[in-house]
Amino acid sequence: GENVEQHPSTLSVQEGDSAVIKCTYSDSASNYFPWYKQELGKGPQLIIDIRSNVGEKKDQRIAVTLNKTAKHFSLHITETQPEDSAVYFCAASGMRGAQKLVFGQGTRLTINP
Amino acid sequence: EADIYQTPRYLVIGTGKKITLECSQTMGHDKMYWYQQDPGMELHLIHYSYGVNSTEKGDLSSESTVSRIRTEHFPLTLESARPSHTSQYLCASRNTGLQTDTQYFGPGTRLTVL
Repeated sequence: GENVEQHPSTLSVQEGDSAVIKCTYSDSASNYFPWYKQELGKGPQLIIDIRSNVGEKKDQRIAVTLNKTAKHFSLHITETQPEDSAVYFCAASGMRGAQKLVFGQGTRLTINP
Repeated sequence: EADIYQTPRYLVIGTGKKITLECSQTMGHDKMYWYQQDPGMELHLIHYSYGVNSTEKGDLSSESTVSRIRTEHFPLTLESARPSHTSQYLCASRNTGLQTDTQYFGPGTRLTVL
């Protein structure tokens, strides 16, 4: 089955700098890769996702890149702000209709003012 | 905004009590999931359902049980709560149609067993 590894487990950056979180997956059939942000006391919220037919997707200050050959994908946050502080999870899904998303271990991102 | 709800949000209960955590979604999603999560830590899938009258155990063994009698409702039950069950429980739903695979999470129930 699918296995997702996420790094780093913790990340601290200065406000205004960029943050990058990386994930690798094992199942070459995976074709959907969402990223979730979880703030304290809340459930994870989808912030961006990418499908395997696209190499990069951007939404304002966040972007996701996908390298299918190497089986890894990354979340990029530019011009970080204090409200970006949260735990971020990547996930991968197998063939369309697969029953379960497989999540990474999570990254605690702290933005220092 | 996702239309998925969990009640209660917080629950403190004594050992040995039976509890049911409620989860409802109004999006008509066929697939629903329960995750167990310690604060800021990994999401562990404990149960999921493909649709009405379908339930499966997840990757993490759990003493809880679930039912799916209606599409919109996926309650989780602990027959006899223990301190080791103290955790956050997150419900999620997903519609794997042709146009979308998006999975939405509820706000979670934080359970404390004394």
